[in-house]
Amino acid sequence: EAGVVQSPRYKIIEKKQPVAFWCNPISGHNTLYWYRQNLGQGPELLIRYENEEAVDDSQLPKDRFSAERLKGVDSTLKIQPAELGDSAVYLCASSSGLRQYFGPGTRLTVT
Amino acid sequence: EDQVTQSPEALRLQEGESSSLNCSYTVSGLRGLFWYRQDPGKGPEFLFTLYSAGEEKEKERLKATLTKKESFLHITAPKPEDSATYLCAVLNTGNQFYFGTGTSLTVIP
Repeated sequence: EAGVVQSPRYKIIEKKQPVAFWCNPISGHNTLYWYRQNLGQGPELLIRYENEEAVDDSQLPKDRFSAERLKGVDSTLKIQPAELGDSAVYLCASSSGLRQYFGPGTRLTVT
Repeated sequence: EDQVTQSPEALRLQEGESSSLNCSYTVSGLRGLFWYRQDPGKGPEFLFTLYSAGEEKEKERLKATLTKKESFLHITAPKPEDSATYLCAVLNTGNQFYFGTGTSLTVIP
């Protein structure tokens, strides 16, 4: 069984530039999560999808972050414009029950 | 507010020296408590789910236990390959996950 796929694995951008992350969940998983993990911290939820619907985006900074999950499969997380404080690892996870399966993450560095 | 606190932040053990990691939590309604292992540069990897106080789960050298206020991850006779960060998370009845900051475990040969 293929795991959660994320790309790119690493991204370095200058502040004020846009950036996008892509996630392909495990086939058949209806629930998709985007997390942000700062160094030495646990993951913090940004947004959760049930199929195509964003059911929890309370922690998503909506002034600069956006996300979509077209057709209830792949998802994209975008930041525009990026700030220095956005440097972190962005993790995608999927689940079909309570157990989450995480991708390897995208490490974003904003200079 | 739902919250998870893990201790210690870091732990160094000699190979074969057993110990325990602690996860204290406050949650409005617990659906489950989860333990994950995270290696550098990778996403968290699922270890256990515990659903109710008194429950225990085991896998190789790891054993997780749960009370109404905390969970322990016991590591028996650890090996260097057990070195990783161990994360605890709770899922509340609103289907929200809250993670702790993790315990960084180093096992010295």
